[in-house]
Amino acid sequence: EAGVAQSPRYKIIEKRQSVAFWCNPISGHATLYWYQQILGQGPKLLIQFQNNGVVDDSQLPKDRFSAERLKGVDSTLKIQPAKLEDSAVYLCASSENTQYFGPGTRLTVL
Amino acid sequence: DQQVKQNSPSLSVQEGRISILNCDYTNSMFDYFLWYKKYPAEGPTFLISISSIKDKNEDGRFTVFLNKSAKHLSLHIVPSQPGDSAVYFCAASVDRGSRLTFGEGTQLTVNP
Repeated sequence: EAGVAQSPRYKIIEKRQSVAFWCNPISGHATLYWYQQILGQGPKLLIQFQNNGVVDDSQLPKDRFSAERLKGVDSTLKIQPAKLEDSAVYLCASSENTQYFGPGTRLTVL
Repeated sequence: DQQVKQNSPSLSVQEGRISILNCDYTNSMFDYFLWYKKYPAEGPTFLISISSIKDKNEDGRFTVFLNKSAKHLSLHIVPSQPGDSAVYFCAASVDRGSRLTFGEGTQLTVNP
């Protein structure tokens, strides 16, 4: 069974630029999560989808971050404009019960 | 407000011995607990979980213990192997489908 796929794996941008990350969950998993992991810390939830509806986006900085899951499968997370403190690994996870994580996208904002 | 804490940033053990990783939490609503292992440049990999109705769960070399009154859980790895060297995160949620709250991680090094 294929795992959670994410792309790109690495991205370097200048501050104030925009960036987008893509996630394809495990087939059949209705729930999809985006986490941000800053170096030296544990992952922190940004947003949770159930099918194509948002369940929890209480910790998403909505002035610059947005996410969508239009057809209830793939998802994209966008940052516009990026700040230096957005440098982190962005992890996508999906679940029926247990959350399984993708390899993440390492974002560096210069 | 750090609701899940792993107080040991690192742990070093000899191959064949027991590794014990500890985790404390403060939110009494947490009902489901998990351990993930993370290698560099990879996402966290699910290891083992336990719900609050149990105090122990075993899977091969890995055992998780939960002490609800102390709000403490631990992961035992016996025997430890060099391939177990990784960062271990504990995580908690109020139910199986909800967001996970992670600790800061413990770097385990198993020396041959």
